Amino acid sequence: ETGVTQSPTHLIKTRGQQVTLRCSSQSGHNTVSWYQQALGQGPQFIFQYYREEENGRGNFPPRFSGLQFPNYSSELNVNALELDDSALYLCASSIGGGNGPQHFGDGTRLSIL
Amino acid sequence: QKEVEQDPGPLSVPEGAIVSLNCTYSNSAFQYFMWYRQYSRKGPELLMYTYSSGNKEDGRFTAQVDKSSKYISLFIRDSQPSDSATYLCAMETSGGSYIPTFGRGTSLIVHP
Repeated sequence: ETGVTQSPTHLIKTRGQQVTLRCSSQSGHNTVSWYQQALGQGPQFIFQYYREEENGRGNFPPRFSGLQFPNYSSELNVNALELDDSALYLCASSIGGGNGPQHFGDGTRLSIL
Repeated sequence: QKEVEQDPGPLSVPEGAIVSLNCTYSNSAFQYFMWYRQYSRKGPELLMYTYSSGNKEDGRFTAQVDKSSKYISLFIRDSQPSDSATYLCAMETSGGSYIPTFGRGTSLIVHP
C-alpha cells in the first residue's frame, strides 16, 4: 500500500512569487485535505477536495487555491507569497469526503525570503 | 480563547511511566475526536479516532472523551523513549462544512 507522498520536500521562494505543491493520495483514497503548520503550532486546515470539488475551506485568503485530479492527486497553489507563508504544508488523504481518519504525508517545508 | 486548547509542554517522564495528555475545547458541536503523533520532520500519524463520549483502547493507548466537560485525554501506558514526539489533538463537527481543528500539540519526552 502506497502512502501519501508530497513534493518537493523543501522549497525556497521570495516574496511575491507563486508556488505549487503536489500531493499523491494513499491508494484507494479519494479525498485530499491541505494544512499549513507553522513552527510550534498545530496544523491549520486550508481546504479539502473530494471528487475534484472543494469540500470545505478554512480561514485562508483566495490566493490559496487548489486542484484535485481524476486520479485523486492534488495541488496547492499559493500566489503573491508573503513572509508569513513560511511553514510546513501538509497533505492528508482519506475516504469519502468530510469526516474520517486521515493519513498525512511528511509535508513540504516552504521558506519565504 | 482558542477553540481547542492544548498545553505545549514539554512533558518529561521516565521510561515506564503512565502519560496523560489533555485537550479542552469550547465548541459543543465537535463530535469526532482524534489524537495524532508527530515525530520531528515527519507528518502527523493517526493514533486514535473516536466519536462522541466514552473510552477507546488500542494497545498501550487509551483515549477518553468527556463531552459534558469539553475535555479529552490520551493515556499512554508503559511509556517508551520511542514515544518521544509531539502529540496533537484534533476535532471535527458532524455535518455542515468540513473544518477540522487541531490543538497546538504537546511535546513529550520519555527518558531512559
